[in-house]
Amino acid sequence: QVQLVQSGAEVKEPGASVKVSCKASGYTFPLYGITWVRQAPGQGLECMGWISAYNGNTKYAQKVQGRVSMTTDTSTSTAYMELRSLRSDDTAVYYCAKVDCTNGVCYGYHGMDVWGQGTTVTVSS
Amino acid sequence: DIQMTQSPSSVSASVGDRVTITCRASQAISSWLAWYQQKPGKAPQLLIYDVSSLQSGVPSRFSGGGSGTDFTLTISSLQPEDFATYYCQQANNFPFTFGPGTKVDIK
Repeated sequence: QVQLVQSGAEVKEPGASVKVSCKASGYTFPLYGITWVRQAPGQGLECMGWISAYNGNTKYAQKVQGRVSMTTDTSTSTAYMELRSLRSDDTAVYYCAKVDCTNGVCYGYHGMDVWGQGTTVTVSS
Repeated sequence: DIQMTQSPSSVSASVGDRVTITCRASQAISSWLAWYQQKPGKAPQLLIYDVSSLQSGVPSRFSGGGSGTDFTLTISSLQPEDFATYYCQQANNFPFTFGPGTKVDIK
């Protein structure tokens, strides 16, 4: 079945970096993209950006631009999200989700149809 | 960024009730509107995409409608497993933005 499996929980100090992985299975990885969505404790959902698994094109939300990098490894069907210079307000559950793309641009027109289980990232000194 | 609002923020309902949640976008978003259900400690699940298309495996008691800036999610007969938080999300412009959520709980 189609699924995304994420790496485990992380605890980081302020100023550090974190890299979360998202392994896809059950579908043709390069035909879609991965979007990363985070949810702070008790809060709503925030899209951080997307990456096309076809050609590695990325688009990042302004709020995290400059601190985030999204990459993929098509040989293992895995997507990665690295967030640098962590702050306390980066404490959240981070989700990856499958999204539709066309010619390397992820429009997300048909929703985020498969989600990973989430990775808790805690930033604390 | 396109701002999404939802009303009500919470609703108390009984099994068998009809529940309607409204979502409004700060500008027209064509038909690029999706709805998600999230239960505590779980990832969101896609219910509806393209305003009214039912995601595979989602029960037919869920339906979506609307156009332009105003959209609705309706649960025709609430079931015990439907008590959750519901989010709308637009994909007309990047960044994809979500509404603040509507919590449906037991009356």
